[in-house]
Amino acid sequence: GAGVSQSPSNKVTEKGKDVELRCDPISGHTALYWYRQSLGQGLEFLIYFQGNSAPDKSGLPSDRFSAERTGGSVSTLTIQRTQQEDSAVYLCASEDWGGAETQYFGPGTRLLVL
Amino acid sequence: AQSVTQPDIHITVSEGASLELRCNYSYGATPYLFWYVQSPGQGLQLLLKYFSGDTLVQGIKGFEAEFKRSQSSFNLRKPSVHWSDAAEYFCAVGRTGNQFYFGTGTSLTVIP
Repeated sequence: GAGVSQSPSNKVTEKGKDVELRCDPISGHTALYWYRQSLGQGLEFLIYFQGNSAPDKSGLPSDRFSAERTGGSVSTLTIQRTQQEDSAVYLCASEDWGGAETQYFGPGTRLLVL
Repeated sequence: AQSVTQPDIHITVSEGASLELRCNYSYGATPYLFWYVQSPGQGLQLLLKYFSGDTLVQGIKGFEAEFKRSQSSFNLRKPSVHWSDAAEYFCAVGRTGNQFYFGTGTSLTVIP
């Protein structure tokens, strides 16, 4: 079946604008993660969704970042009033809870804030 | 605190040579350990994982890794590197709560 997809693949925006990044997880996967990957850095955990439970937002770097997951499937990561330091690759991963702790990653959205 | 260290930022090997990528972790309990590979423009792909049992784990693409509790290490190895192995490699440990912890990655260059 299809893997995790993300859109757009690239996004260039001006400082101060809002952006929305989309993630379509693997069908049936109950868990969904967002990570940020900055140049030369590892993956930074942002947020985690699991079924109908309240999301774990402990990794969001500021209140400009938010995410939602509609219908337990598609997720949108929103960054408000973007700053240049928000430039990074944003990766989404889904996991079949109880499926041996394996995350499947999408190709990422490369965000550039000018 | 949980953490993962990949001490080698960049490694260059000749095609056909053996490879070892280092990973050290800090974790309070028996860890779940992972190696992922990221090719340019691609998402991360799981190479192998360790949960319990045999400390030598076989993965895809001819990779293996050995869990050494006494050294808090989970090094990735391949006996003969192919040009297509050039990529970024990430070690990860999980999970505490909902989080997986990733190293900063090792970039592998393969020269003919």
